[in-house]
Amino acid sequence: GDSVTQMEGPVTLSEEAFLTINCTYTATGYPSLFWYVQYPGEGLQLLLKATKADDKGSNKGFEATYRKETTSFHLEKGSVQVSDSAVYFCALRSSGNTGKLIFGQGTTLQVKP
Amino acid sequence: EPEVTQTPSHQVTQMGQEVILRCVPISNHLYFYWYRQILGQKVEFLVSFYNNEISEKSEIFDDQFSVERPDGSNFTLKIRSTKLEDSAMYFCASKGQTNTEAFFGQGTRLTVV
Repeated sequence: GDSVTQMEGPVTLSEEAFLTINCTYTATGYPSLFWYVQYPGEGLQLLLKATKADDKGSNKGFEATYRKETTSFHLEKGSVQVSDSAVYFCALRSSGNTGKLIFGQGTTLQVKP
Repeated sequence: EPEVTQTPSHQVTQMGQEVILRCVPISNHLYFYWYRQILGQKVEFLVSFYNNEISEKSEIFDDQFSVERPDGSNFTLKIRSTKLEDSAMYFCASKGQTNTEAFFGQGTRLTVV
């Protein structure tokens, strides 16, 4: 079945460092891809999305490009801030019509001042 | 901005008791979901609901679970006889007809003792 694999965490960076969180997927058909963020004590918020190959999603300085050839959707940010400390989830919406999401295991990011 | 609302934010219950988790989805959305996140683990799909019936459910969603949309605004998840392993954060989500992404509530933390 469909699945999502994220890099192991936690990831600890200094402020203004470059961030990459790897995400790869296995899916039949043409899924939509998402990054959700969970700040401490809060729910899941959509960070960005891409619905077809070569699309780039971007929001709040974060970017991810839908790479069909490598089945990847890596999250990047050029300069992280302390406020970016959170758990980041990569997810796919399978091509079936129920719209359910399949999540990766989450990657904890801690940014130190 | 419209949002998905869940109540209560935290519920403690004794093993074997019934619990009902409540959600108010975004008003014009048509697809409704429940997910759960056991502490430190990935977010897992439980069930999707569309047109007043379950459209898909996972293996986790056994006979102890049920969902209902009793009045056109609320969407509930009932666990008939809770077990210790039901302790988790439960997220409700909703999606509109034209949205690609689902919007999540803040979650209900269920603790079974």
